[in-house]
Amino acid sequence: EAGVTQSPTHLIKTRGQQATLRCSPISGHTSVYWYQQALGLGLQFLLWYDEGEERNRGNFPPRFSGRQFPNYSSELNVNALELEDSALYLCASSPMGGPNEKLFFGSGTQLSVL
Amino acid sequence: GQNIDQPTEMTATEGAIVQINCTYQTSGFNGLFWYQQHAGEAPTFLSYNVLDGLEEKGRFSSFLSRSKGYSYLLLKELQMKDSASYLCALIYGNNRLAFGKGNQVVVIP
Repeated sequence: EAGVTQSPTHLIKTRGQQATLRCSPISGHTSVYWYQQALGLGLQFLLWYDEGEERNRGNFPPRFSGRQFPNYSSELNVNALELEDSALYLCASSPMGGPNEKLFFGSGTQLSVL
Repeated sequence: GQNIDQPTEMTATEGAIVQINCTYQTSGFNGLFWYQQHAGEAPTFLSYNVLDGLEEKGRFSSFLSRSKGYSYLLLKELQMKDSASYLCALIYGNNRLAFGKGNQVVVIP
């Protein structure tokens, strides 16, 4: 069974550009979570999607947005990139909604903003 | 809101036992996870505690005391492959999940 897959593995952008990160959950999982892991910081919750809808959002500005498609894959968009957006972005999925479910993480997208 | 506190790093010898602590303050506690994250890899699930007490799973055990806002992860018979960051994650409030910064465990021969 394939795990959570994320693409691209690495992404290099410059300030002001836009970045799009993609995530495919484990087959049968309907919930997708996005986290940011900056150097020296813990995982910071960004977004939670379930059944195509945004269920919860962390304390990030509106230039961080995303969506979930009918096949439950998800996209994270970061507009007007800033240097401090450089981080590892992790996607996780779970069988159903709610954080009480064990999360299965992808290997992440390393975003570097120059 | 919530606050999660974990020591940043510890070193232990192969074969030893190590205890990784996590203290938290929150309203609306709903459960606590432990995840393991090797450098450059995704976090992987280790344990889930929602009631007080000790949950044992092979070499790994996790303990929770809700009244004290305290959990620990116990690693027995340490192996070199156990060198990793151990993340405490709190479920609180309206279905929110927050991670601590993680405790980096370095296992030496």
